[in-house]
Amino acid sequence: DGGITQSPKYLFRKEGQNVTLSCEQNLNHDAMYWYRQDPGQGLRLIYYSQIVNDFQKGDIAEGYSVSREKKESFPLTVTSAQKNPTAFYLCASSALDREGEAFFGQGTRLTVV
Amino acid sequence: RKEVEQDPGPFNVPEGATVAFNCTYSNSASQSFFWYRQDCRKEPKLLMSVYSSGNEDGRFTAQLNRASQYISLLIRDSKLSDSATYLCAYYGNNRLAFGKGNQVVVIP
Repeated sequence: DGGITQSPKYLFRKEGQNVTLSCEQNLNHDAMYWYRQDPGQGLRLIYYSQIVNDFQKGDIAEGYSVSREKKESFPLTVTSAQKNPTAFYLCASSALDREGEAFFGQGTRLTVV
Repeated sequence: RKEVEQDPGPFNVPEGATVAFNCTYSNSASQSFFWYRQDCRKEPKLLMSVYSSGNEDGRFTAQLNRASQYISLLIRDSKLSDSATYLCAYYGNNRLAFGKGNQVVVIP
């Protein structure tokens, strides 16, 4: 089945550690996005990518990094520089001719203790 | 002013009633608009695209008003299963941006 997969679903890390969230899609979509969701805050855009080896900062990129070495994969690293990393992280993808019609992964709930 | 603004609610709606809410946007370069549905602790899923002429999908009607820069969603004959958060979104400048969502609670 085609889709977008995030792993793991739940992740616990100690403060000060970097952590990488996985996002893989087999929909042949060119565009991929990372969002963060906090209670009452809606979805905030962290990074996005339209093509392989290219990505742009979103609204809250500080403390995060991404790579887009393959079309299918768009991993997000939450670094120790991110002041408040505990959140629900959502990855999405869309086809270039249907950019706003995004498919989301099931999300990763990151808790930093 | 935020890119996309929504009144979070909650909107408490009796079963069978009609509920409508708006979403305002500030970026006049926004190209296309969408409504997504998000169930509690789940990922958002596309509900419908919003066309300039307005569009309807069963009990759901979406409209776009470019002059006043808002989109709307109307749900008729509300079902208990309609309880969710409805997120408006727009695509523009290669970005897909979302509002905070309107929480709808359908009451028996």
